[in-house]
Amino acid sequence: NAGVMQNPRHLVRRRGQEARLRCSPMKGHSHVYWYRQLPEEGLKFMVYLQKENIIDESGMPKERFSAEFPKEGPSILRIQQVVRGDSAAYFCASSPPALGSRSEAFFGQGTRLTVV
Amino acid sequence: AQSVAQPEDQVNVAEGNPLTVKCTYSVSGNPYLFWYVQYPNRGLQFLLKYITGDNLVKGSYGFEAEFNKSQTSFHLKKPSALVSDSALYFCAVRDRAWAGNMLTFGGGTRLMVKP
Repeated sequence: NAGVMQNPRHLVRRRGQEARLRCSPMKGHSHVYWYRQLPEEGLKFMVYLQKENIIDESGMPKERFSAEFPKEGPSILRIQQVVRGDSAAYFCASSPPALGSRSEAFFGQGTRLTVV
Repeated sequence: AQSVAQPEDQVNVAEGNPLTVKCTYSVSGNPYLFWYVQYPNRGLQFLLKYITGDNLVKGSYGFEAEFNKSQTSFHLKKPSALVSDSALYFCAVRDRAWAGNMLTFGGGTRLMVKP
């Protein structure tokens, strides 16, 4: 059973471009979470999704950021018109539905976004 | 609302000595508590969790943590530290009563184990 797969591992974008970050959860997992980590800081929650539904997006910036988890395919975190302050590591995590809130989340290796 | 505090940015310990990484939490209901470790340029790896039952929880790599409800703490411990334990450690909480289901993380504690 492969772990949580994120791609790309590293992404460089110029200011004003779009960044698309992909996350394939572990097999059988239907809950996906996105977190952002700034250098030498903790993880900040961004969004929680289930298939075709956004459950909690309280941590998402109001503009330029969006996320989806379609019925088929990976979850996508999209950042439009990137700015230097968006440079960070973005982590995706997944958890199974069966255990609910008792389950730990399983993390991917992250995508390191650099905006130049 | 739920929150986690890790009061120490860094903990230094000599190899072979016991280590403690502190964590306190705040939730409106009862907590589920987790510890994760992060090595450089890697994702987070799960170490252990407290769900219910025995307050002392044992996890991976010889780590353990003690849930203390009265002090709202969940400190991570290991009897004998290894140099390879040097990494960034995160405590996380989830409020059982809240349907939001996401984990809230502390700011992290860097553990440095010196030979």
